[in-house]
Amino acid sequence: DVKVTQSSRYLVKRTGEKVFLECVQDMDHENMFWYRQDPGLGLRLIYFSYDVKMKEKGDIPEGYSVSREKKERFSLILESASTNQTSMYLCASSLYTYEQYFGPGTRLTVT
Amino acid sequence: KNEVEQSPQNLTAQEGEFITINCSYSVGISALHWLQQHPGGGIVSLFMLSSGKKKHGRLIATINIQEKHSSLHITASHPRDSAVYICAVQSFGNEKLTFGTGTRLTIIP
Repeated sequence: DVKVTQSSRYLVKRTGEKVFLECVQDMDHENMFWYRQDPGLGLRLIYFSYDVKMKEKGDIPEGYSVSREKKERFSLILESASTNQTSMYLCASSLYTYEQYFGPGTRLTVT
Repeated sequence: KNEVEQSPQNLTAQEGEFITINCSYSVGISALHWLQQHPGGGIVSLFMLSSGKKKHGRLIATINIQEKHSSLHITASHPRDSAVYICAVQSFGNEKLTFGTGTRLTIIP
């Protein structure tokens, strides 16, 4: 079974802090994704990585950056957290264009 | 960019009822996905289909490429089916998905 894990289920940070969200997958998938999910808006893609050190901006990259130094690990960085980044963050991975496997999500609150 | 519309947004039904959730999209696709999200956040892929029909247990997914429409059916619904069901579409040669906003299903015992 594919397993995608995320570093925290719940996180509370202060405005202006640098925040790291980590995602690890154990199935040697090329593709990894970071989404945020907000009520009424559905899942929106923040960044996508199709290989180590390769990344593409998604629909809402502003205020975020990513890092993929190893194939199994994809990190989302909030350089200076703001209250409008309070959300559920979901990581996913996939093999080429096949189905995506999701992590359990991190509920981030920025106060 | 593809627009994905789901209906209904919310659905409450009695245990045992036959459930239908609909998904329409605006631009041609290579595949359509149905996902399930239980309270607590985790998302599970139910189906990935590009034509016809797929069945898994009490769940059936159909797609009509010409009509740009898909349905997810649940037979003999059960309270454990209560979840948010999300439709997502994939363009040709593209790993990325475009998501609908989900249908919240509640099954009452």
